[in-house]
Amino acid sequence: DSGVTQTPKHLITATGQRVTLRCSPRSGDLSVYWYQQSLDQGLQFLIQYYNGEERAKGNILERFSAQQFPDLHSELNLSSLELGDSALYFCASSGGLGLRDTQYFGPGTRLTVL
Amino acid sequence: EDQVTQSPEALRLQEGESSSLNCSYTVSGLRGLFWYRQDPGKGPEFLFTLYSAGEEKEKERLKATLTKKESFLHITAPKPEDSATYLCAVQDTGRRALTFGSGTRLQVQP
Repeated sequence: DSGVTQTPKHLITATGQRVTLRCSPRSGDLSVYWYQQSLDQGLQFLIQYYNGEERAKGNILERFSAQQFPDLHSELNLSSLELGDSALYFCASSGGLGLRDTQYFGPGTRLTVL
Repeated sequence: EDQVTQSPEALRLQEGESSSLNCSYTVSGLRGLFWYRQDPGKGPEFLFTLYSAGEEKEKERLKATLTKKESFLHITAPKPEDSATYLCAVQDTGRRALTFGSGTRLQVQP
């Protein structure tokens, strides 16, 4: 158990809908990262937050957004969902800004868009 | 652009048959190289971090090594419970995110 928690574990929804994925980092960690893992793309970095502020952005679609709250938990919002958004979404956390930090991953949320 | 290539894509071993997994990388500057283990449907589990060429780290039956262009994960006398996908990731000096390879699916048969 990494100490990173994610909810829900599974999510099934329809195209065009909006969903919210939630992540709680390990105790004491200030950085939260979101990754998407699909069969054809592997693990792809989406976005990083550090202590409430966005610090790095990867291949995140404009339909996706995230935020980190004062209690350090983070939410990833996915809107106007398409079939291709079906994937595993992982949250990771690290203690600092991410420079040489080890990132610890949560158990993931499996999103299925029908 | 950072690139990470892992080989082989899949590897089947008999219990006790040692082998190595390869991770070749291209970065402008290496801040760190990370190895993770991932079981089906689960999150990646951290194994090792290597920072500079020549560095080695060991944990039970696993040993990770690093050169300027690649890293190896050596598995000595594997057991069926070592079956998993092993992921390699690099962190470039100019970035905070990790760039992952596609992984090596390891199956150890009793």
